[in-house]
Amino acid sequence: ETGVTQTPRHLVMGMTNKKSLKCEQHLGHNAMYWYKQSAKKPLELMFVYSLEERVENNSVPSRFSPECPNSSHLFLHLHTLQPEDSALYLCASSQDRGQDYGYTFGSGTRLTVV
Amino acid sequence: GQQLNQSPQSMFIQEGEDVSMNCTSSSIFNTWLWYKQDPGEGPVLLIALYKAGELTSNGRLTAQFGITRKDSFLNISASIPSDVGIYFCAGQLLGSQGNLIFGKGTKLSVKP
Repeated sequence: ETGVTQTPRHLVMGMTNKKSLKCEQHLGHNAMYWYKQSAKKPLELMFVYSLEERVENNSVPSRFSPECPNSSHLFLHLHTLQPEDSALYLCASSQDRGQDYGYTFGSGTRLTVV
Repeated sequence: GQQLNQSPQSMFIQEGEDVSMNCTSSSIFNTWLWYKQDPGEGPVLLIALYKAGELTSNGRLTAQFGITRKDSFLNISASIPSDVGIYFCAGQLLGSQGNLIFGKGTKLSVKP
């Protein structure tokens, strides 16, 4: 499979649950990103990984915990979320951080917190 | 932080009409990108621009990198129903090694 794959596509979780979002890219890219997209809001950058090292954390609450075990995989671990965390979570990758050839996005995980 | 001003926020047009949207900034960019996001999917890159004044087409889509390097526009000719979606501009600041900056998007609705 090519491109950026995100699983699951849809997730409903209670506020006390623990779940993880998975992102996988087969493009040989060195940088990976997590974005949050809420209704009527612009894309919000959450985390940036470059060569498996976290290089940016944009004031994201600690109930979101990223993990990048290798350059092809990125996880977002979720625990004790709030209803306002319901959103589309998008993973993206690029050849290198800061390069200008654009990001390749996954299809996203639609998260609903109940 | 740096911002891209994308307009219009939304458009409702008739099938067959041409569409124009743009992004502006007070800062200079060395790259402009245009993405389309279909409902329930992630954004997909449509056109990438790397030089001031550059005009690039992708089928019925045409985008230009403004001469001042502070703006870009996207035109869609003879719109069809599958053009529905949200269009995002994105750019990388001149001299920056940082992340892309995204506009807020233009939501396009096409009436058959």
